[in-house]
Amino acid sequence: DAGVIQSPRHEVTEMGQEVTLRCKPISGHDYLFWYRQTMMRGLELLIYFNNNVPIDDSGMPEDRFSAKMPNASFSTLKIQPSEPRDSAVYFCASSLTGGGGIEQFFGPGTRLTVL
Amino acid sequence: GDSVTQMEGPVTLSEEAFLTINCTYTATGYPSLFWYVQYPGEGLQLLLKATKADDKGSNKGFEATYRKETTSFHLEKGSVQVSDSAVYFCALRGSTLGRLYFGRGTQLTVWP
Repeated sequence: DAGVIQSPRHEVTEMGQEVTLRCKPISGHDYLFWYRQTMMRGLELLIYFNNNVPIDDSGMPEDRFSAKMPNASFSTLKIQPSEPRDSAVYFCASSLTGGGGIEQFFGPGTRLTVL
Repeated sequence: GDSVTQMEGPVTLSEEAFLTINCTYTATGYPSLFWYVQYPGEGLQLLLKATKADDKGSNKGFEATYRKETTSFHLEKGSVQVSDSAVYFCALRGSTLGRLYFGRGTQLTVWP
């Protein structure tokens, strides 16, 4: 089992550029989550999908952020235009529908640096 | 709403010391509770979980007991190792399907 796959693992870009982060969830999982982790704010849920439909995007910081899930095996998180305060580690996670004890599986993260 | 509060870090211990990381929660109904661990440069991974009151989750020498009367799920280990150095997150799944609510995380450093 390959686990949750994220790309790129590291991204360095300049302020104002568009950034696209990619995620492939575990096959068969029907929930997909995007998180952001910073020292100041900890781990924040940005948005999550169920069966490719966005359920809650209230954590998306502003209109510069957008996320899509065109099919069950792929999701993107886009930042346009990027700003230095967007520098963080972005995690994708996936899980199955089920009882309360269902585990979320995290990817290795994308470390984004905006100069 | 659902939320988790865990003790502030960082926590620094010597090898073989006893570890406690406190976690309390607020939730309606009967949440499931989790501890996740994040090693340097990696994503979070499940350490242990408990799905009902009085359940004890355990893994790799770590334990936590779901205490409904005190709304707590404290993480303990009797003898920590250098390899336990990581960030530990308490989390709950409440009435909202699918999502987890995470605490701020507690950084643990174990010295030899």
